Amino acid sequence: DTEVTQTPKHLVMGMTNKKSLKCEQHMGHRAMYWYKQKAKKPPELMFVYSYEKLSINESVPSRFSPECPNSSLLNLHLHALQPEDSALYLCASSQAVHGANVLTFGAGSRLTVL
Amino acid sequence: DAKTTQPPSMDCAEGRAANLPCNHSTISGNEYVYWYRQIHSQGPQYIIHGLKNNETNEMASLIITEDRKSSTLILPHATLRDTAVYYCIVRVVGGGADGLTFGKGTHLIIQP
Repeated sequence: DTEVTQTPKHLVMGMTNKKSLKCEQHMGHRAMYWYKQKAKKPPELMFVYSYEKLSINESVPSRFSPECPNSSLLNLHLHALQPEDSALYLCASSQAVHGANVLTFGAGSRLTVL
Repeated sequence: DAKTTQPPSMDCAEGRAANLPCNHSTISGNEYVYWYRQIHSQGPQYIIHGLKNNETNEMASLIITEDRKSSTLILPHATLRDTAVYYCIVRVVGGGADGLTFGKGTHLIIQP
């Protein structure tokens, strides 16, 4: 299995809702990432987990809450989002080794906040 | 990560070689050059990476100048499916799990 699987593919939520995005990989990778991508812009790094511990938080607002329950799963919990948070959310994983560190990306979850 | 400069867009005829340039004049000796691409509404896809020497795989070739200040990604026989945004990224060797910083990339359009 050489894929990163993201669910759901599409999500529409209101500003008062609580929802979660899920990411799964079975490549034995020990680093997992969340990126946010607005239309016609490059992906922007949000969070990095290394060996199931949060290692990087790029000053992301607290309405985004990441969770890494085990080495294969990564969640992004969403609460009280704003319409400007509408974007494509990308998950990636890598071996977390020193040296070349190639990221494998999922297809993304497209979020619309009403 | 060191910054890269890429042309915002390029056209290439189907079946011809697509040559995508990238300038990374401030690259350090311990930084790799990576190339990823993103087809519309999909996740980025890894293409190739290199440190000093030229590299080739089943997708592309990477030519790095001797002074390492620029590189060229070559898609030898471009097809319509190669239409995508191509990102050139430099990143320090041994950085561990620190993610990649994407620039604006080059939008490559393959013309039939």
